[in-house]
Amino acid sequence: EAGVAQSPRYKIIEKRQSVAFWCNPISGHATLYWYQQILGQGPKLLIQFQNNGVVDDSQLPKDRFSAERLKGVDSTLKIQPAKLEDSAVYLCASSLDGQRLSRETQYFGPGTRLLVL
Amino acid sequence: AQSVTQLDSHVSVSEGTPVLLRCNYSSSYSPSLFWYVQHPNKGLQLLLKYTSAATLVKGINGFEAEFKKSETSFHLTKPSAHMSDAAEYFCVVSDLGGSYIPTFGRGTSLIVHP
Repeated sequence: EAGVAQSPRYKIIEKRQSVAFWCNPISGHATLYWYQQILGQGPKLLIQFQNNGVVDDSQLPKDRFSAERLKGVDSTLKIQPAKLEDSAVYLCASSLDGQRLSRETQYFGPGTRLLVL
Repeated sequence: AQSVTQLDSHVSVSEGTPVLLRCNYSSSYSPSLFWYVQHPNKGLQLLLKYTSAATLVKGINGFEAEFKKSETSFHLTKPSAHMSDAAEYFCVVSDLGGSYIPTFGRGTSLIVHP
């Protein structure tokens, strides 16, 4: 079974530039998550989709971050414009059916490491 | 609101000795609790989870954890550490009430000495 795929693996940009990350979840997984992991901290959930609808985006800085999951499969996360404090690893995860979200096992991709200069 | 506290940022053990990684949680509802492991340059992987069944949960690679409601704890243990256990470990809480947002602890780095 193929895992969660993410690209790019690394990205370096200047502040105020824009950047986009892509995630392809495990086939058949209804729920998709984007996390931000700052160095030395645990991952923080940014947005959670079930199929192509948003379950929770309360921790997404909506003035600069946006995410979409068209057709309920792969997803993109965008930052525009980037700030220095956005330097982090961006993790994508998926889970199977989302009926019992609190109990779901999440399967994580390798992450995208972003450095904003 | 839910929260999770990992009491140690680093734990250092010798190979073959027991491992204890501590986690305390706060939840207003019935929580689900997870331990994930992150090896260098690899994605997070589930070790084990508690979802209101047996309070002693067994996971992969010989790890286990016990849910203690009275102590609001979910500590991770292993009888004998192996060099390959060296990694970052995250305790996660998610509850049934209103928000399903999984909340991660800050992580505990496990160092295993030969």
